[in-house]
Amino acid sequence: DAMVIQNPRYQVTQFGKPVTLSCSQTLNHNVMYWYQQKSSQAPKLLFHYYDKDFNNEADTPDNFQSRRPNTSFCFLDIRSPGLGDAAMYLCATSRAWAPGLAGGETQYFGPGTRLLVL
Amino acid sequence: GQQLNQSPQSMFIQEGEDVSMNCTSSSIFNTWLWYKQDPGEGPVLLIALYKAGELTSNGRLTAQFGITRKDSFLNISASIPSDVGIYFCAGREGSQGNLIFGKGTKLSVKP
Repeated sequence: DAMVIQNPRYQVTQFGKPVTLSCSQTLNHNVMYWYQQKSSQAPKLLFHYYDKDFNNEADTPDNFQSRRPNTSFCFLDIRSPGLGDAAMYLCATSRAWAPGLAGGETQYFGPGTRLLVL
Repeated sequence: GQQLNQSPQSMFIQEGEDVSMNCTSSSIFNTWLWYKQDPGEGPVLLIALYKAGELTSNGRLTAQFGITRKDSFLNISASIPSDVGIYFCAGREGSQGNLIFGKGTKLSVKP
């Protein structure tokens, strides 16, 4: 009964070699988010999709891209991973973006993908 | 940007003890969420708070949305070893905007 699924759980890539992380959800939520989390730090939002509308955070490097082909799936593409991109990548979903419906904006996280860059 | 002040940064307690942690912000929040993150896993939602003064329990966990709307606390009663992990508060100000996370409280429980 997993609700937010991330694959793979662990990903090893080489410096500069493109890598794609995937996320799927069974909640039929409108919003999907990608966060980067480094050791002992809070999650940092990279971008989110509200339906098909893409919203990039101002400080997200161009090296990070995202695709959402349908409601259920969202992908994180790292075009040229550097050593500093090694981190846990978390996908999250919420029913809504704004709290118009109480609780609608509550975010549910997947288990994460640990990325190692060699 | 807006940051949450979460304290304490870490706690090392004996099994059976009660635990209290809190978050404060410099601005008014409309939502407070508490998550627990185990090593190598994603954050799991523990309690969500949407109204000032709201007090909500989830088993041994109790959280409150401060009346000033600038703070929230999480209490864990009678801690057990599986309570070990990092607890994050997160909040949202206004009707728009990103979820803002605290830096986490690392809880260690000694059997």
